[in-house]
Amino acid sequence: SAVISQKPSRDICQRGTSLTIQCQVDSQVTMMFWYRQQPGQSLTLIATANQGSEATYESGFVIDKFPISRPNLTFSTLTVSNMSPEDSSIYLCSVPGTSGGPNEQFFGPGTRLTVL
Amino acid sequence: SQQGEEDPQALSIQEGENATMNCSYKTSINNLQWYRQNSGRGLVHLILIRSNEREKHSGRLRVTLDTSKKSSSLLITASRAADTASYFCATAPNSGNTPLVFGKGTRLSVIA
Repeated sequence: SAVISQKPSRDICQRGTSLTIQCQVDSQVTMMFWYRQQPGQSLTLIATANQGSEATYESGFVIDKFPISRPNLTFSTLTVSNMSPEDSSIYLCSVPGTSGGPNEQFFGPGTRLTVL
Repeated sequence: SQQGEEDPQALSIQEGENATMNCSYKTSINNLQWYRQNSGRGLVHLILIRSNEREKHSGRLRVTLDTSKKSSSLLITASRAADTASYFCATAPNSGNTPLVFGKGTRLSVIA
């Protein structure tokens, strides 16, 4: 298993500003995933972050809006840039449980973002 | 992109009753997983069923998978107030460390 922490747990931000969300894992992992959960909705994958390479973004998400850093095997950040009220969501990072084979994912507690 | 569709969207039952949630998906999968989310927080993995399995049990949880119908069901027996949460199915297209595709979720309320 993996223990994941996220900072901040919640924030209220003004339109046009940016927020950086941190994700810390208690073990080294190759892959980390960032998801967005809009109010009352399910999770949508934003990007996959591999250490040592650029993140891979899903359709509808771009690096300029959601830059991601992955400086080492236990840490990643997601920045939500030039925020608008539509960015109000819960942002979650996750990591695979074990390498190889079908396995579950472990999720951080999420960052609840409200944009005014 | 989301591929899972869950029904019902919301379910309210009395404590002690069984709760059944269904999930349908669109593409071929390697495995299907169920997660629970309490009050908009992080997700907790409940159970994983592989594409070559038809049924799996874990405590009060029973999961079925019908790959011909591209559907799965999650049964929670003898529900408790603490089971109140949102439940999501998620599919993995292949084995290994791939991101999951989540369904829309069922919000379960268990009334004491």
